[in-house]
Amino acid sequence: SQKIEQNSEALNIQEGKTATLTCNYTNYSPAYLQWYRQDPGRGPVFLLLIRENEKEKRKERLKVTFDTTLKQSLFHITASQPADSATYLCALARGNDMRFGAGTRLTVKP
Amino acid sequence: NAGVTQTPKFRVLKTGQSMTLLCAQDMNHEYMYWYRQDPGMGLRLIHYSVGEGTTAKGEVPDGYNVSRLKKQNFLLGLESAAPSQTSVYFCASMDAKETQYFGPGTRLLVL
Repeated sequence: SQKIEQNSEALNIQEGKTATLTCNYTNYSPAYLQWYRQDPGRGPVFLLLIRENEKEKRKERLKVTFDTTLKQSLFHITASQPADSATYLCALARGNDMRFGAGTRLTVKP
Repeated sequence: NAGVTQTPKFRVLKTGQSMTLLCAQDMNHEYMYWYRQDPGMGLRLIHYSVGEGTTAKGEVPDGYNVSRLKKQNFLLGLESAAPSQTSVYFCASMDAKETQYFGPGTRLLVL
């Protein structure tokens, strides 16, 4: 069965450092992969999408890579700020099938 | 532009009771989704719709029914609630660029 794993449940880093979150998957061939941010008590908010034929995407301080051979996506937040503290979800999709990881809770300490 | 709204925000049900969760979007999106989110698990797709009048099963459809009579609304029904359906339910709509817009969620407790 399909499995999506996000590297750890929680990640703590110091302000100004780069946060790197991992999304690994098995038994799945996504057409695209997305990253979402979720704050407590709120719905997820879309951040970035990367397609299976793309290696890297950037948006401001965010960068996502996608390696379909390793079946892995890395999500980077550079120059992290306390306001970046949230849970980050990866989502894989092919057609109408959508699968989400459980999320990584990121805490950026001042 | 309200985006995606969900009603109610919170509900307590007794086992066996029924209820309907309402999702509305004002972005004219064709695709709409219902998910449930449980601690330690990712969002799991319950049902989805690719347009008015059409619905399809997702990963965990048992115990739920849906209807999409109007493009802007997507209803999720629980005919006979069970404690295992205690969860946070999120509705989402998707645009042509495959970006999903989520509602604020409905917290459901089944006793």
